Amino acid sequence: DTAVSQTPKYLVTQMGNDKSIKCEQNLGHDTMYWYKQDSKKFLKIMFSYNNKELIINETVPNRFSPKSPDKAHLNLHINSLELGDSAVYFCASSHFPDRKETQYFGPGTRLLVL
Amino acid sequence: AQKITQTQPGMFVQEKEAVTLDCTYDTSDQSYGLFWYKQPSSGEMIFLIYQGSYDEQNATEGRYSLNFQKARKSANLVISASQLGDSAMYFCAMRGFGNEKLTFGTGTRLTIIP
Repeated sequence: DTAVSQTPKYLVTQMGNDKSIKCEQNLGHDTMYWYKQDSKKFLKIMFSYNNKELIINETVPNRFSPKSPDKAHLNLHINSLELGDSAVYFCASSHFPDRKETQYFGPGTRLLVL
Repeated sequence: AQKITQTQPGMFVQEKEAVTLDCTYDTSDQSYGLFWYKQPSSGEMIFLIYQGSYDEQNATEGRYSLNFQKARKSANLVISASQLGDSAMYFCAMRGFGNEKLTFGTGTRLTIIP
């Protein structure tokens, strides 16, 4: 009964490759997010989708392309991977954030680009 | 713009003692929410506690309480009777109401000593 799940948990790949990370939530939320946590543990939002529509795009390189096929899924595709893309990527979800709505996070995907 | 400051990069606390993790914030929003998350060494982000800017009482959730001082723009997390399992990174975060973007602090690494 996992609430927010991500696959894969670990991803090791070569520079220049293209890779995807998948996220699914079964909480009935209508808003999903991607965050990046760098090597210093700093967390920063990348994207947010509400009802399959993009609502936040935080100056992320256009090599990163999120896709939301439905409210329960938000995938992240990364083209031409670079060394600096190595990080932990977290998916999160919430109801549309009015007042108290809390974002619940997935377990993270640890991406290492060699 | 919103900013979260956590001035304690690391803390060591004896088991069973209470611990206070500091968090100050800056925002131009009139209404906002403050959140604390725990990240154990396994890497997942666990929601702990929420405080709304207009809540009259400080939030409590089991051993966690939030010492909210609006005039000082501080939202410190208090953990009572600390346990070894409390050893983790702790992140303070905030967002304005109606704003999807959750802004995180740099985190405090808490280590509980037996």
